[in-house]
Amino acid sequence: QSALTQPRSVSGSPGQSVTISCTGTSSDVGAYNYVSWYQQHPGKAPKLMIYDVSKRPSGVPDRFSGSKSGNTASLTISGLQAEDEADYYCCSYAGSYTYVFGTGTKVTVL
Amino acid sequence: QVQLQESGPGLVKPSETLSLTCTVSGGSISNFYWSWIRQPPGKGLEWIGYIYYSGSTNYNPSLKSRVTTSVDTSKNQFSLKLSSLTAADTAVYYCARGDQRLERAFFDYWGQGTLVTVSS
Repeated sequence: QSALTQPRSVSGSPGQSVTISCTGTSSDVGAYNYVSWYQQHPGKAPKLMIYDVSKRPSGVPDRFSGSKSGNTASLTISGLQAEDEADYYCCSYAGSYTYVFGTGTKVTVL
Repeated sequence: QVQLQESGPGLVKPSETLSLTCTVSGGSISNFYWSWIRQPPGKGLEWIGYIYYSGSTNYNPSLKSRVTTSVDTSKNQFSLKLSSLTAADTAVYYCARGDQRLERAFFDYWGQGTLVTVSS
């Protein structure tokens, strides 16, 4: 069970859009529509941003959206804001009642 | 509003066993899956395992031989034990609530996390 692969960092200017990829295998991301995304600010606990690939919990801005194609899931942040600067992690169901997280991506707002 | 709070020692010696407890308030521990997740300093998240309120469990295969979890529904608490500790187990340990369906891989409520350092 290997960690899902995310880019180490992505950056964008305020107002721009950034997309973070999360690549797994046909045994995890590709097999199930159960991918979630978390935002983590320094020293804080992760916060759920997206679940079931593309659903947003109540209170999460609609600037955050999720999608999946094959073995790769993606998180897009539209209209980037300063407060979006954080680490982001994906998570997928990996079968046999286990879960696997991504390697994490640092989003920098220029 | 559901809240989770981890408690336990912040310093544990190598080869010993880590014991943490998560207390759930603002909601019942019943009908949900409850997980432990850890994060070594400066690194990513790692799922450790879950326990259901009924007591059923499952663990990350890489940690399975060293992990035990338990639940006390009367106290709205669940616990983690991790044995044979090494410095590689130094991490912030989080407890988190999963869904009522196991496959739905998301955690909607998290504790604040507790740093556990393994050192003599």
